[in-house]
Amino acid sequence: SQKIEQNSEALNIQEGKTATLTCNYTNYSPAYLQWYRQDPGRGPVFLLLIRENEKEKRKERLKVTFDTTLKQSLFHITASQPADSATYLCALDTGRNTPLVFGKGTRLSVIA
Amino acid sequence: KAGVTQTPRYLIKTRGQQVTLSCSPISGHRSVSWYQQTPGQGLQFLFEYFSETQRNKGNFPGRFSGRQFSNSRSEMNVSTLELGDSALYLCASSQRTVLNTEAFFGQGTRLTVV
Repeated sequence: SQKIEQNSEALNIQEGKTATLTCNYTNYSPAYLQWYRQDPGRGPVFLLLIRENEKEKRKERLKVTFDTTLKQSLFHITASQPADSATYLCALDTGRNTPLVFGKGTRLSVIA
Repeated sequence: KAGVTQTPRYLIKTRGQQVTLSCSPISGHRSVSWYQQTPGQGLQFLFEYFSETQRNKGNFPGRFSGRQFSNSRSEMNVSTLELGDSALYLCASSQRTVLNTEAFFGQGTRLTVV
């Protein structure tokens, strides 16, 4: 069956360090992989999208990698700040008008 | 550009009642998707409407239904509410083109069934 896993339910790191979150999937052939941020009681906010033919994408302090052989995406936040504390969700998109499928998320806490 | 608007923000209903939630997508977005979010299950896909037609449906019972109007606004209805329907219901709009597949979410409707 199809499965998408974010292998850490929670991650605590020190301010200034790089946070690395992982998203693994099985039995999917995603055309795109997306990352969202969700704060408590609010809807997810789109951060970055990476296509299957892209290895890496950057936006300010954020970096996403996509390895279709390993079936894995890594999401990095460099120079992390307490304001980065939130739940981060990955989502797969097959690009064939099927719904986005979300992982359960990783709750990141950046400690000052 | 105005974002996705969901109403109401909070709702308390009694078991057995029915409820209707509303979603106004971003102007120009023809796709509206609905998700249920609970602490244990994460974001679960309910259905997607595109140009007034249901294009995709998740694995939820028939008590959950929806529709989309010609102005792309969407409503979701849950009949015969159960305690387990308590959740955050999120609506997302998207252009759903090859170049623009990202979803824009509303703030959600927090439904509590007592």
